[in-house]
Amino acid sequence: GAGVSQSPSNKVTEKGKDVELRCDPISGHTALYWYRQSLGQGLEFLIYFQGNSAPDKSGLPSDRFSAERTGGSVSTLTIQRTQQEDSAVYLCASSNGQVDSEGYTFGSGTRLTVV
Amino acid sequence: AQSVTQLDSQVPVFEEAPVELRCNYSSSVSVYLFWYVQYPNQGLQLLLKYLSGSTLVKGINGFEAEFNKSQTSFHLRKPSVHISDTAEYFCAVSDPGGYQKVTFGTGTKLQVIP
Repeated sequence: GAGVSQSPSNKVTEKGKDVELRCDPISGHTALYWYRQSLGQGLEFLIYFQGNSAPDKSGLPSDRFSAERTGGSVSTLTIQRTQQEDSAVYLCASSNGQVDSEGYTFGSGTRLTVV
Repeated sequence: AQSVTQLDSQVPVFEEAPVELRCNYSSSVSVYLFWYVQYPNQGLQLLLKYLSGSTLVKGINGFEAEFNKSQTSFHLRKPSVHISDTAEYFCAVSDPGGYQKVTFGTGTKLQVIP
């Protein structure tokens, strides 16, 4: 597609439920990133995928968070047993692997609200 | 490890006035520097970047930034702001090596007052 697509755009879930957030990167982009943006906070790095390499999971805040990238394209971020502090906007970005060429291209995000 | 500090969380400015949004970084290696803009209810958009060469970088919408290595700063400026510039601005730094993970600052909300 022309841009990075994220779905759903908004998600309200009950505390304790699992949620899945989807990211469809730009076709041909080998690198994919997940960030979390909480109110009044900057962008918190969560996880990074590059080609077939092992992902960098160093930013995942707890073992309730996991992410997959199937076939080097679509990625799913899963949050198990959601907590209220998980409420945030989850942003996905992709790049061609060379950040100096164009930086990241971001999706519009998924706004997650845990009630 | 890299880090980015944006000293001002909010900057109000009157329309047609100049503005400077401050950004300082820390890194033990050479860096790439970026400014991103986030309009309400939208994703982030690259405004400009410094990779090497001229320390004055020009971006979209009339913004420019100057890389100052001795002061480890990359402040964003615009000589005359418009209402449409109201947005949140994020400074970011990346290591030229490795896989170039980008570290973002906490953002500065620019409020342009009519």
